[in-house]
Amino acid sequence: KAGVTQTPRYLIKTRGQQVTLSCSPISGHRSVSWYQQTPGQGLQFLFEYFSETQRNKGNFPGRFSGRQFSNSRSEMNVSTLELGDSALYLCASSRGQGEVEQFFGPGTRLTVL
Amino acid sequence: QKEVEQDPGPLSVPEGAIVSLNCTYSNSAFQYFMWYRQYSRKGPELLMYTYSSGNKEDGRFTAQVDKSSKYISLFIRDSQPSDSATYLCAMRGGQDNYGQNFVFGPGTRLSVLP
Repeated sequence: KAGVTQTPRYLIKTRGQQVTLSCSPISGHRSVSWYQQTPGQGLQFLFEYFSETQRNKGNFPGRFSGRQFSNSRSEMNVSTLELGDSALYLCASSRGQGEVEQFFGPGTRLTVL
Repeated sequence: QKEVEQDPGPLSVPEGAIVSLNCTYSNSAFQYFMWYRQYSRKGPELLMYTYSSGNKEDGRFTAQVDKSSKYISLFIRDSQPSDSATYLCAMRGGQDNYGQNFVFGPGTRLSVLP
């Protein structure tokens, strides 16, 4: 069974631009969560999507948004990029909403210049 | 004070040693306790999780939870160089509060020297 895939793996953007990251969950998994990982703050929860609806949200500004499609694939968007948005963005999938067992993808490394 | 504290290390041990990794937390609502392993340039991999207090064993790994002390541990027996990674603890509320977010510790970097 294929794991969680994320595209692109690496991305370089400049301040003020926007970016869209993509995540394909494990087949049969309907929940997708997004996390930001930085050396200073560690791994922080962004939001969770289940059945195309955002079910849970972390403490991030509105510049961070996401969506989920009917096939459970998810995208995350960051608008008006700031230098502090440079991070590893991780997607995790699970069978259902709020399940403890999450399976992470390899992440997208975003660098904002 | 952060909600979940974890010694960042790095922790270096010789091959075959017993490794003890620990986290402390402040939120008494946490019911699920997870341990993840993250290799460089990879996403975290769930090693094991426990519900409430107690021990759980899986091969060379043993997880312990002491809710009265708000303290969790992961023990690795007969450590191998392939265990060299960053270990993250994570916690979450119970099923009656599954809307609560997962909270992760900052991670401990472990090096097992051959």
